[in-house]
Amino acid sequence: QKEVEQDPGPLSVPEGAIVSLNCTYSNSAFQYFMWYRQYSRKGPELLMYTYSSGNKEDGRFTAQVDKSSKYISLFIRDSQPSDSATYLCAMRMNSGYSTLTFGKGTMLLVSP
Amino acid sequence: DVKVTQSSRYLVKRTGEKVFLECVQDMDHENMFWYRQDPGLGLRLIYFSYDVKMKEKGDIPEGYSVSREKKERFSLILESASTNQTSMYLCASRKDGLSNSGNTIYFGEGSWLTVV
Repeated sequence: QKEVEQDPGPLSVPEGAIVSLNCTYSNSAFQYFMWYRQYSRKGPELLMYTYSSGNKEDGRFTAQVDKSSKYISLFIRDSQPSDSATYLCAMRMNSGYSTLTFGKGTMLLVSP
Repeated sequence: DVKVTQSSRYLVKRTGEKVFLECVQDMDHENMFWYRQDPGLGLRLIYFSYDVKMKEKGDIPEGYSVSREKKERFSLILESASTNQTSMYLCASRKDGLSNSGNTIYFGEGSWLTVV
């Protein structure tokens, strides 16, 4: 079983839809969870960062972590064409020098 | 704003050439990373560095080496480029991973390398 699983998509939605992006993971030692957005031919940029379980909201974006199910989600409300990008989940353990483990990314297409 | 700059955005090199990919960050970050990103394979860690003159192998170090002589600069070296090293290379940096603030990793724009 891969450490982090993420559906590659593409996920196509109309403008204004609520989008749900998800990752599952196998390593229960992961404590920090992140979502990155990557536009075509650009580097990933950090969207959301969550420690342990719970929800975090930032504007139209909400990140959820369910450690008991080893499942994390990113919700995008009122999706816009400018949200069209690849979304990467990432996570790491709580040890000081641990590196990030990434999902392979989900491509999202929001049509006007 | 944190800035991670990769000096070469697009390169075309011949098989067997020695290739240098340079990365500079301006936030005094201790940790720096080199990844490659390929369709269907995602981001894979090649090498990382906790601090100046320190380096650690990532998941796919074969065929690569790195240099960190100054804190702000981390170079990836392909000693003898091969066609299977055609990829997008991403540099990243992070404040010391021992603190909570160290969780934010910042990426550069990427370097597209084609080996022919």
